[in-house]
Amino acid sequence: SQQGEEDPQALSIQEGENATMNCSYKTSINNLQWYRQNSGRGLVHLILIRSNEREKHSGRLRVTLDTSKKSSSLLITASRAADTASYFCEGGNNRLAFGKGNQVVVIP
Amino acid sequence: DAGVIQSPRHEVTEMGQEVTLRCKPISGHNSLFWYRQTMMRGLELLIYFNNNVPIDDSGMPEDRFSAKMPNASFSTLKIQPSEPRDSAVYFCASSFTGRGTEAFFGQGTRLTVV
Repeated sequence: SQQGEEDPQALSIQEGENATMNCSYKTSINNLQWYRQNSGRGLVHLILIRSNEREKHSGRLRVTLDTSKKSSSLLITASRAADTASYFCEGGNNRLAFGKGNQVVVIP
Repeated sequence: DAGVIQSPRHEVTEMGQEVTLRCKPISGHNSLFWYRQTMMRGLELLIYFNNNVPIDDSGMPEDRFSAKMPNASFSTLKIQPSEPRDSAVYFCASSFTGRGTEAFFGQGTRLTVV
């Protein structure tokens, strides 16, 4: 079974706005990771949050983790056109299986 | 390190032909993953290896697909015989298995079977 299942949104926002996307998972995890995929390219790691953490920041990214609900959210603040991509989460149990991804389009 | 290297970048082949995709993981990484990505099915995990041993191949769609990892620096994904529905982008990724380690992806191989 997949370890990450994004709320399969296609989000279209204006540059400068914030983008929020969600992810749920099914089994217990040690950590959860978010990745970004620009069109036609491989996934790139963005941020990791451990199971004993509730929130983590990295630059314009903010990730939350709710282990009781088996869910996570990724917030991108002050979005830029370069943030246009698909975003995937993965519950870290070494198997590295992803959900369908959230597609985000940032309009300049 | 040059990152995860996949070859070829593009492959066009005729139905029924054998196709071999290649992957060189990052040196020192002990886990390797093969994925297939299509619009319809998204990003599917086909198989992953740990220390050159296949750990989970439940995502391999059919017997026509096979993967090998003869050593820590090389892996292949073979499709024989290929079919048009195998057309997709195939990604390879590697990581060092452990708590909180990120995976690095190759640029992918775009396969078209006509």
